[in-house]
Amino acid sequence: DGGITQSPKYLFRKEGQNVTLSCEQNLNHDAMYWYRQDPGQGLRLIYYSQIVNDFQKGDIAEGYSVSREKKESFPLTVTSAQKNPTAFYLCASKRTSTDTQYFGPGTRLTVL
Amino acid sequence: SQQGEEDPQALSIQEGENATMNCSYKTSINNLQWYRQNSGRGLVHLILIRSNEREKHSGRLRVTLDTSKKSSSLLITASRAADTASYFCATDATGSARQLTFGSGTQLTVLP
Repeated sequence: DGGITQSPKYLFRKEGQNVTLSCEQNLNHDAMYWYRQDPGQGLRLIYYSQIVNDFQKGDIAEGYSVSREKKESFPLTVTSAQKNPTAFYLCASKRTSTDTQYFGPGTRLTVL
Repeated sequence: SQQGEEDPQALSIQEGENATMNCSYKTSINNLQWYRQNSGRGLVHLILIRSNEREKHSGRLRVTLDTSKKSSSLLITASRAADTASYFCATDATGSARQLTFGSGTQLTVLP
């Protein structure tokens, strides 16, 4: 999992609550990504950021928000507007000059 | 959207046998990457092949790319029980702002 940490490993949310997933990297990577993975499925891109204070929506951004105030950190907030948030969330980062992404260990979110 | 589609969805082999997984995609690409995911963990990059390459090796891994057929294959030779995991192809499509699109994966089980 390299120098990318995600916390918590497991997260439980009641319906109607916002929750924030943490992603921190010490690899000095410029770009960071958030993906969602549903059981038996591949990864779908939620949001990405190529530089501090800038981010773009991915394929499934509705109901999610992000910030990129520091190079090392890219937190993801799952809002109450996300109707089916139960999933495995993966954060990744990469250098701008390379194509390989490095992944964190993931956070499993369950809505009760 | 999921550009890459792996085949088969699941593969079960005996230790020592070779495992072959295939990936098909739809649009022009800059490169194609293969990642591995152990159950409940993050993804680990295995190998990257660029659009102007036809074959690449890394240890027991061999990747081929046929851009005319828009397909790639991953061969794992002399498989081990520790190779049991899900394998995903990811495409960096031309004009995609260097984002990766992941397939749905092949679940490989290597029986001891």
